[in-house]
Amino acid sequence: GESVGLHLPTLSVQEGDNSIINCAYSNSASDYFIWYKQESGKGPQFIIDIRSNMDKRQGQRVTVLLNKTVKHLSLQIAATQPGDSAVYFCAEKIQAAGNKLTFGGGTRVLVKP
Amino acid sequence: GAVVSQHPSWVICKSGTSVKIECRSLDFQATTMFWYRQFPKQSLMLMATSNEGSKATYEQGVEKDKFLINHASLTLSTLTVTSAHPEDSSFYICSASLGQVGSEGYTFGSGTRLTVV
Repeated sequence: GESVGLHLPTLSVQEGDNSIINCAYSNSASDYFIWYKQESGKGPQFIIDIRSNMDKRQGQRVTVLLNKTVKHLSLQIAATQPGDSAVYFCAEKIQAAGNKLTFGGGTRVLVKP
Repeated sequence: GAVVSQHPSWVICKSGTSVKIECRSLDFQATTMFWYRQFPKQSLMLMATSNEGSKATYEQGVEKDKFLINHASLTLSTLTVTSAHPEDSSFYICSASLGQVGSEGYTFGSGTRLTVV
C-alpha cells in the first residue's frame, strides 16, 4: 500500500549547524502533514505541521517545506542543539481515510558537540 | 495543553497471560483514540482506531481477538493484549485526537514497554 518514507536513516550534524530531514510520500490525496520528534522510550512529540495547501511553514528554529509536485516534505532545524538528538518522523493524514495518521520510517539525528 | 496519560509505562508478563494498557485524556475529551505499536528502531504502526461507544476499526493484519480495545468513555481507551507471546513484546503507544489540526490535534501518550517472557 501507499506509505510515507524517508531518504536518510541517520543524520549526524555538528552542534550549531542546520539539519535537514527529508520525507517522501506517495499518496497525492494526503492533505495534512506533521513532523514529530521521539526521544528514546517516549511517545512522539509534535514539532510542526503543514496543510497541503501550503508550501512552507515556520516555527521556532524549525521550518517545514512541502513540495507537492514531487511529493516531498522536509524539516529544517536551525542551529541544531544537543537536545535535538532524537528520531524524527513525518506523518500524513488522508482526509478520505478518516483522521488516522500514517508514519514514515524515521530519521535518527545525532548532534556532535 | 492537551495531555494523554498512558499506564503502565512498562510491564513484564508471562507467556499466555493478558495485559491491559490504559490511555486517558486528562484535560479534554477525545473524539478518537489510536493505538500504535513500535518495534525497536522502527516506525509507529497503527493497530486500530477507536471511537467512544463503538467498535474499534483494526488495521489489516492486526488480530482483533488478540488485541482487545475498549473505548468506554471520551477520556479512556484500553488495549488488552490477550494470551501474550514473546513476539508481542513491543512499545505500545496511544494517541488521542481532538479532530482538529495543530499541536493539540493529536496528542500521544508516553508509551508502554511490554516484555513477554
